[in-house]
Amino acid sequence: QKEVEQDPGPLSVPEGAIVSLNCTYSNSAFQYFMWYRQYSRKGPELLMYTYSSGNKEDGRFTAQVDKSSKYISLFIRDSQPSDSATYLCAMSAGTGRRALTFGSGTRLQVQP
Amino acid sequence: NAGVTQTPKFQVLKTGQSMTLQCAQDMNHNSMYWYRQDPGMGLRLIYYSASEGTTDKGEVPNGYNVSRLNKREFSLRLESAAPSQTSVYFCASSPGSLYNEQFFGPGTRLTVL
Repeated sequence: QKEVEQDPGPLSVPEGAIVSLNCTYSNSAFQYFMWYRQYSRKGPELLMYTYSSGNKEDGRFTAQVDKSSKYISLFIRDSQPSDSATYLCAMSAGTGRRALTFGSGTRLQVQP
Repeated sequence: NAGVTQTPKFQVLKTGQSMTLQCAQDMNHNSMYWYRQDPGMGLRLIYYSASEGTTDKGEVPNGYNVSRLNKREFSLRLESAAPSQTSVYFCASSPGSLYNEQFFGPGTRLTVL
């Protein structure tokens, strides 16, 4: 079983919809959480990062962490065709070599 | 700032050939990483360097070697390429904060025939 699970999609939504992207994880030591966006044939781009539980908002994006359920989410409001990409969650324990563990990514398609 | 740069962008090798993938960052970051990305597998860590002069194995190091040439540059070498090493390779760097947020280069698409 993978440490981080993420539905690969594709998730197809109409323009303007609210999108919910999710990851579950099994390692209770994870306490730093990140979301990356990856356009086709490009490198991952850091979108947001959060610590422990709670919400963080940045423009149309909201990251949510529920450590008790080992579940993190990324919400995108008023989705745009330019949001069409693969979204990767990543997390780390913040100790030791502090490597990131990535989900395999969810492909999002926003239809105009 | 260019961020993280990688060369080459594309490469085709025959089985048994060797090559070196180059990576450089201009953000004065201490830590650098090499990942490979395969369909359905996500990003898997090959090697990392926590600081200049140190390197350590990641999740999938077999068949690879690395060199941290200086603070800016971190290279990945395939000594004898195999078809299983066909992948997209990403270099990343990190300032070394508690979050360990990483910044990625554009990738190298490698095909081994």
